[in-house]
Amino acid sequence: GDSVTQMEGPVTLSEEAFLTINCTYTATGYPSLFWYVQYPGEGLQLLLKATKADDKGSNKGFEATYRKETTSFHLEKGSVQVSDSAVYFCALSSGGYNKLIFGAGTRLAVHP
Amino acid sequence: SAVISQKPSRDICQRGTSLTIQCQVDSQVTMMFWYRQQPGQSLTLIATANQGSEATYESGFVIDKFPISRPNLTFSTLTVSNMSPEDSSIYLCSATGAVVTDTQYFGPGTRLTVL
Repeated sequence: GDSVTQMEGPVTLSEEAFLTINCTYTATGYPSLFWYVQYPGEGLQLLLKATKADDKGSNKGFEATYRKETTSFHLEKGSVQVSDSAVYFCALSSGGYNKLIFGAGTRLAVHP
Repeated sequence: SAVISQKPSRDICQRGTSLTIQCQVDSQVTMMFWYRQQPGQSLTLIATANQGSEATYESGFVIDKFPISRPNLTFSTLTVSNMSPEDSSIYLCSATGAVVTDTQYFGPGTRLTVL
């Protein structure tokens, strides 16, 4: 079945460092891909999405490119801030009913 | 995007009791879903809430344990029945928009602790 694999955390960075969180997927067909973020004590917020190969999603300085050839959707940010500390979930939308399949989540901690 | 609210935001319940969680969306949506997030874990889909018909449950989840209602296009409830400590989790409602249907928006979640 469809699945999503994320790099294990926690990821600890200093402020202004470059961030990469790896995400790869296995899917039949052509899923849409998403990054969601969960701040401490809150629900999930959509960070960005891409719906077809070579699409780049971007929001709040974060970017991810839908790579069909490598089945990847890595999240990047050029300069992280303390306020980016959260758990990041990669997900794919599977099947005709848009069922979401999530990766395990990667906790990011950014220190001043 | 849809704005989703849930009630209660948290609760502490005794073993053997039931809790009903409400999910309200600010606009008509096509699909509504219920997820469980166990402590320190990712999200797992419980079921798709279908308007006017029985919910569609994922493997490992059954209607007797997690009855779901969706009486209209903007409201759904999830009941966690005959609770045990293993049911302690965050329960999240999500919905897809009426126009952009490939993206799910999430409520803030209900944090449930079962003693």
